[in-house]
Amino acid sequence: DAGVTQSPTHLIKTRGQQVTLRCSPKSGHDTVSWYQQALGQGPQFIFQYYEEEERQRGNFPDRFSGHQFPNYSSELNVNALLLGDSALYLCASSLGTQETQYFGPGTRLLVL
Amino acid sequence: ILNVEQSPQSLHVQEGDSTNFTCSFPSSNFYALHWYRWETAKSPEALFVMTLNGDEKKKGRISATLNTKEGYSYLYIKGSQPEDSATYLCASAPFSGGYNKLIFGAGTRLAVHP
Repeated sequence: DAGVTQSPTHLIKTRGQQVTLRCSPKSGHDTVSWYQQALGQGPQFIFQYYEEEERQRGNFPDRFSGHQFPNYSSELNVNALLLGDSALYLCASSLGTQETQYFGPGTRLLVL
Repeated sequence: ILNVEQSPQSLHVQEGDSTNFTCSFPSSNFYALHWYRWETAKSPEALFVMTLNGDEKKKGRISATLNTKEGYSYLYIKGSQPEDSATYLCASAPFSGGYNKLIFGAGTRLAVHP
């Protein structure tokens, strides 16, 4: 049983560019949440998707957007990249919006 | 307490030592408290979900307690082994109308030396 998978594993972009990160949830899970982990900090909640809609959002600007597809996979898009967007981006899936979240290995984004 | 705080930030112990960490979280609007173990280059692994005041959970040599009234949780590791070396994260899930937003602490980094 495959766990949560994320792609790519690493990514280098320059300021002002746009990036798309992808997440496939654990088999049977219908909810996907995204987190950003900056160096030395705990993961910070970006948003949660359920039934293809954004259900809850953390304190992130509109440059961060997402999508959930009918097969429950999800994308995180970040526009107009800033140096401060350099971080590890974690995806987590769950069966239902209030159940235990299972994390993927993350995508490490470096913005130069 | 407005944020989730963990202490200590890091810990070095010898194999066989028992150890414990603290997680402090806002006690108002509490719904659940999660503990994760995160080994380097791997995915965070869910250890426990705790919801009731006085709750105690155990998984092998690892156990956790919860006090929702005062807003803290302890994680205990008995007889630490080198494979316990990891960052231990706690996350508070405040009640939010059916949706689960995890608020993480910065973690406690444990190194167990043979």
